[in-house]
Amino acid sequence: QKEVEQNSGPLSVPEGAIASLNCTYSDRGSQSFFWYRQYSGKSPELIMSIYSNGDKEDGRFTAQLNKASQYVSLLIRDSQPSDSATYLCAVARSTGGGNKLTFGTGTQLKVEL
Amino acid sequence: GAVVSQHPSWVICKSGTSVKIECRSLDFQATTMFWYRQFPKQSLMLMATSNEGSKATYEQGVEKDKFLINHASLTLSTLTVTSAHPEDSSFYICSANPGPYNEQFFGPGTRLTVL
Repeated sequence: QKEVEQNSGPLSVPEGAIASLNCTYSDRGSQSFFWYRQYSGKSPELIMSIYSNGDKEDGRFTAQLNKASQYVSLLIRDSQPSDSATYLCAVARSTGGGNKLTFGTGTQLKVEL
Repeated sequence: GAVVSQHPSWVICKSGTSVKIECRSLDFQATTMFWYRQFPKQSLMLMATSNEGSKATYEQGVEKDKFLINHASLTLSTLTVTSAHPEDSSFYICSANPGPYNEQFFGPGTRLTVL
């Protein structure tokens, strides 16, 4: 079992729709959860971090965490073609700084006109 | 805030030569920096964790004598690929953690091509 699992996609959504990206993790001791966006040929960019169960909203992005189910998701509202990218889920065992992240393999999102 | 730079952004070298890549945190101090490698269409692979003032911690399977890491200051870490070969051609990306939490901010990456 992979430590962090994501559906590789591609996930295709029409412009203006809600894109839902999912991630499961195997280490029940994980405490920190992140979503990164990576455009083709570029490095990852942090878009959301979440540490507590529930929802966290930032603009068009909402991260959802359920530690009991070991599940974290990212919702993108009003999807735009510029959201087309690979989204990486990452987890860490603690909340303190300096700890390495374990990344999933990413979900490719395509937002179609 | 939390800006990380890398230099060079791309490099082409001959087989057998060594290449140094610099990673700098521009607006914060980073006790810990991380080095990743990414092959086309694949996910990030953590190579090593770079700690200021101490030896780097390498991931299993990464040759520490081939990938030399030096974290000499709180804003600079370097990765030297020694005796590079075509199979070392890849996208090398560093990240840094400004604290106090685990967010990592990535540099723009260095694309290495070994001929």
